[in-house]
Amino acid sequence: GAGVSQTPSNKVTEKGKYVELRCDPISGHTALYWYRQSLGQGPEFLIYFQGTGAADDSGLPNDRFFAVRPEGSVSTLKIQRTERGDSAVYLCASSPGSGLTNTEAFFGQGTRLTVV
Amino acid sequence: AQKITQTQPGMFVQEKEAVTLDCTYDTSDQSYGLFWYKQPSSGEMIFLIYQGSYDEQNATEGRYSLNFQKARKSANLVISASQLGDSAMYFCAMRVYQKVTFGIGTKLQVIP
Repeated sequence: GAGVSQTPSNKVTEKGKYVELRCDPISGHTALYWYRQSLGQGPEFLIYFQGTGAADDSGLPNDRFFAVRPEGSVSTLKIQRTERGDSAVYLCASSPGSGLTNTEAFFGQGTRLTVV
Repeated sequence: AQKITQTQPGMFVQEKEAVTLDCTYDTSDQSYGLFWYKQPSSGEMIFLIYQGSYDEQNATEGRYSLNFQKARKSANLVISASQLGDSAMYFCAMRVYQKVTFGIGTKLQVIP
């Protein structure tokens, strides 16, 4: 498709389990972002990739969270030992990433993670 | 560090009237971009409008305009001729280099 695709759209997992969330960015977009949006809040920055490398991972809350983008396209956000507080919508966005400021990020529909 | 402040948790507007959603920002960088996004109840984030820090003219996109006051560090969104479909959450965001920071949003409800 032409847009950012995130799978799964919904994920329910038990506390303590490991989960992977996938993001397929728009073809050709070099910049990829992960955000977390809790109920009633704005998106909270987690990590930004430029190509294959994590250019800024300052938003990852702790070492249970990790993200990869091995070939510079698809990215996977990995959460170990999930906690109930991890429940949120995880949004992925991509942009042409030319370093200019006048390009908006295109968002996927998000993955709703529920930890029970 | 960058910060976006949206002080209006909720707003009501009569259909066909104009409404202003407030946004202030804080950054020490001279080059930045300001955005507004709309998030309907379905959850997707829809880009509305962009203003660059060096742009002298206020940005406009159809019924949306951005009232950019650089000295006051404000970037308010003005929606003219409100429609029922404008009911949604609205987020102000700022990009510095490639990092985009969002505010907590304003819930707009358009009343028939």
